[in-house]
Amino acid sequence: AQRVTQPEKLLSVFKGAPVELKCNYSYSGSPELFWYVQYSRQRLQLLLRHISRESIKGFTADLNKGETSFHLKKPFAQEEDSAMYYCALRISQGAQKLVFGQGTRLTINP
Amino acid sequence: DAGVIQSPRHEVTEMGQEVTLRCKPISGHDYLFWYRQTMMRGLELLIYFNNNVPIDDSGMPEDRFSAKMPNASFSTLKIQPSEPRDSAVYFCASSNSGSNWAGELFFGEGSRLTVL
Repeated sequence: AQRVTQPEKLLSVFKGAPVELKCNYSYSGSPELFWYVQYSRQRLQLLLRHISRESIKGFTADLNKGETSFHLKKPFAQEEDSAMYYCALRISQGAQKLVFGQGTRLTINP
Repeated sequence: DAGVIQSPRHEVTEMGQEVTLRCKPISGHDYLFWYRQTMMRGLELLIYFNNNVPIDDSGMPEDRFSAKMPNASFSTLKIQPSEPRDSAVYFCASSNSGSNWAGELFFGEGSRLTVL
């Protein structure tokens, strides 16, 4: 079954420290993975997609098919990174169906 | 564009009452999704539509839940009768189709439902 797992519901780090939000997936096909973010009082929005191999707001995520992971990383956390982060998997080629993980609430302490 | 518009933003009701949540997608978007957000389960896809037609409702919890999309600019999610375990934030999202869809769903602000 297609599934996305984010093992940490809460993650707290100090400003300037590295951040890693874990995401593992289960999917038999060729995966397409995404990270979405919800800042306080803002809408849930796309942060980055693995296909683009881009860095957004200092965050990167690498798809590791061997480990079926798509962890989100940032070398130096900033207070404005505090938010709810969701990992998502596209589970149907040709359809726009995304399955989300349970989410990780990241808190950056000053 | 105001983005995806949901109403009401907050709803408090008593067990057994009917609840109707509303969504207006972004103009020109042909996909519409209903998600439910809870602490325990995160974001769950309930149902989605393409060109007003329900494509996949496998995430709808039970017969108490129903969703409709009578036209391209309006959708409803109805719970009848409501139960305390339905308390959650319900999100509507929309997107437009295309072979190069890049995975971006546009979410509304959500409707926070509390069933007492």
